[in-house]
Amino acid sequence: KAGVTQTPRYLIKTRGQQVTLSCSPISGHRSVSWYQQTPGQGLQFLFEYFSETQRNKGNFPGRFSGRQFSNSRSEMNVSTLELGDSALYLCASSLGPGPTDTQYFGPGTRLTVL
Amino acid sequence: AQSVTQPDIHITVSEGASLELRCNYSYGATPYLFWYVQSPGQGLQLLLKYFSGDTLVQGIKGFEAEFKRSQSSFNLRKPSVHWSDAAEYFCAVGLFTGGGNKLTFGTGTQLKVEL
Repeated sequence: KAGVTQTPRYLIKTRGQQVTLSCSPISGHRSVSWYQQTPGQGLQFLFEYFSETQRNKGNFPGRFSGRQFSNSRSEMNVSTLELGDSALYLCASSLGPGPTDTQYFGPGTRLTVL
Repeated sequence: AQSVTQPDIHITVSEGASLELRCNYSYGATPYLFWYVQSPGQGLQLLLKYFSGDTLVQGIKGFEAEFKRSQSSFNLRKPSVHWSDAAEYFCAVGLFTGGGNKLTFGTGTQLKVEL
């Protein structure tokens, strides 16, 4: 079974631009979560979607948004990029949003903001 | 709020030596605990998880972890380290809130293996 796929793998943007990252979950998984990883802040939870509904949101500004489609694929969007948004963005999928639904991670999208 | 502490930022061990990576958590209820490993430029790979039951859990690649409620710990162990184990290791606690699941991660432990 194919794992979680994320596209693109690498992205370079300039300040003020916006960016959209895509995540395709493991087949049959209906929950998708997003995390930001930076050297300074570590791994931080962004948000989680299940059945096209946002179930949880982390402490990030409104510039960070996401959505989930009926086929469980998810996108996250960052508007008005700042230098501090440079990070590895990781997507994880799980069967559902329950506490015992293990999250499996994709390889990430490396975003560099210049 | 829940939190996870990994006190060791870097650890160096010789190949063939035993390994223990420490993890302490702060969480009011029964924790759902995980260990993930990340190789350079890669995503996170699940090593093992603890939800309930036997407090000693076995994972992939010869790793095991022991849940100790009295010490709020979930330390990762491996009896004999291989050079390919060099990577960054993250302990995480799962929180089910608002109808959804989120992981809170520790800051990670970078493992270096000397040949």
